[in-house]
Amino acid sequence: EVQLVESGGGLVQPGGSLRLSCAASGFTFSSYAMSWVRQAPGKGLEWVSAISGSGGSTYYADSVKGRFTISRDNSKNTLYLQMNSLRAEDTAVYYCAKDSPVARPNDAFDIWGQGTMVTVSS
Amino acid sequence: EIVLTQSPATLSLSPGERATLSCRASQSVSSYLAWYQQKPGQAPRLLIYDASNRATGIPARFSGSGSGTDFTLTISSLEPEDFAVYYCQQRSKGLTFGGGTKVEIK
Repeated sequence: EVQLVESGGGLVQPGGSLRLSCAASGFTFSSYAMSWVRQAPGKGLEWVSAISGSGGSTYYADSVKGRFTISRDNSKNTLYLQMNSLRAEDTAVYYCAKDSPVARPNDAFDIWGQGTMVTVSS
Repeated sequence: EIVLTQSPATLSLSPGERATLSCRASQSVSSYLAWYQQKPGQAPRLLIYDASNRATGIPARFSGSGSGTDFTLTISSLEPEDFAVYYCQQRSKGLTFGGGTKVEIK
């Protein structure tokens, strides 16, 4: 069964840091691009960051550029999101999502994790 | 940034009725549009990709159409499990989601 399981969420103070993890199973993890998508409480979906299968290419939304870093360890089938300088507006459920092998424009996120909640508050 | 505008914000229908959801892009996205369904407390689920292709395991009552700037998701006959929020998403230029349409029981 193809599965993504996020972890690492929690309560953090403004300006603090947190690292999210996403453990993948049931598919050849290194062959697929991956993304992080977040959803603030009661709001819609917002794409955050993406990474190629090899990890050699990374992409960020303007709202997190310079503060968040996406990475992956293909030997551990795990995706990461390092979040620094956190702000109240970063409060959201963070989902990891499986993309296609080369993330073409006509592809979509076919598998999502259950999400992990990040709360930024003093 | 390409903005996706979904309408209506809320659609109140009864089981068995036809649902028609709209997604309009601020500029052409060709056919590079996907639709997702999200139920409370759950992750989104992919329904349609590339405007009109059903994802694996998605029932035939779900169909997508459109190209350029105007897209439609149609649910031919609502089942009880279809009441949820639906999001469109483009990746023609960057990657953005629409604000969602909630399909609620009338």
